[in-house]
Amino acid sequence: DIQMTQSPSSLSASVGDRVTITCRASQSISSYLNWYQQKPGKAPKLLIYAASSLQSGVPSRFSGSGSGTDFTLTISSLQPEDFATYYCQQTYSSLALTFGGGTKVEIK
Amino acid sequence: QVTLKESGPVLVKPTETLTLTCTVSGFSLSNARVGVSWIRQPPGKALEWLAHIFSNDEKSYSTSLKSRLTISKDTSKSQVVLTVTNMDPVDTATYYCARITGPFWGLWYFDLWGRGTLVTVSS
Repeated sequence: DIQMTQSPSSLSASVGDRVTITCRASQSISSYLNWYQQKPGKAPKLLIYAASSLQSGVPSRFSGSGSGTDFTLTISSLQPEDFATYYCQQTYSSLALTFGGGTKVEIK
Repeated sequence: QVTLKESGPVLVKPTETLTLTCTVSGFSLSNARVGVSWIRQPPGKALEWLAHIFSNDEKSYSTSLKSRLTISKDTSKSQVVLTVTNMDPVDTATYYCARITGPFWGLWYFDLWGRGTLVTVSS
């Protein structure tokens, strides 16, 4: 199976900060990479699909980039409602749609 | 309104078989480029993909759990069922179902999720 590694596993940031989260695949996955946001006690929510396409209704401060093995999720100006855990997911191998280990974004 | 809802037991004993049902509304399980996946999340831990089934009945399972999982669908009832055999306390988790879709075959994402159901494994 393709392994997905996120870094950092957690970070502290302030409202207004620019935040970057990294996801690395164990092999090339082209642009078959999605990002989800999960708040405590809630189901995950799709933010970005195909590495850089913004899901409908998601604020434009969220953006994704990368291809091959290295990907980033960027929040251009962190808002109070953005404190959550973020997960990447590869869908290159339709036999196993694996997730990364998550990055928790906390208030500094 | 498009929704998915998980149902099943909240408590199972070790060695028992867990059967979970995902009932969907607002879309058909026979729609092209649509599937349903099961994902679980142990308390305080990361998401773990378990299995999926597509409209053409293509199925796939997590490598580590493949021998214990079975996924099936009943299109007429708008339901997807996951069974997990030989349950263990480490299988305690919130189990989610999610809709898989995408602009073309192979480019998938999980655009809609159920609320999840917490299953505890304990004697």
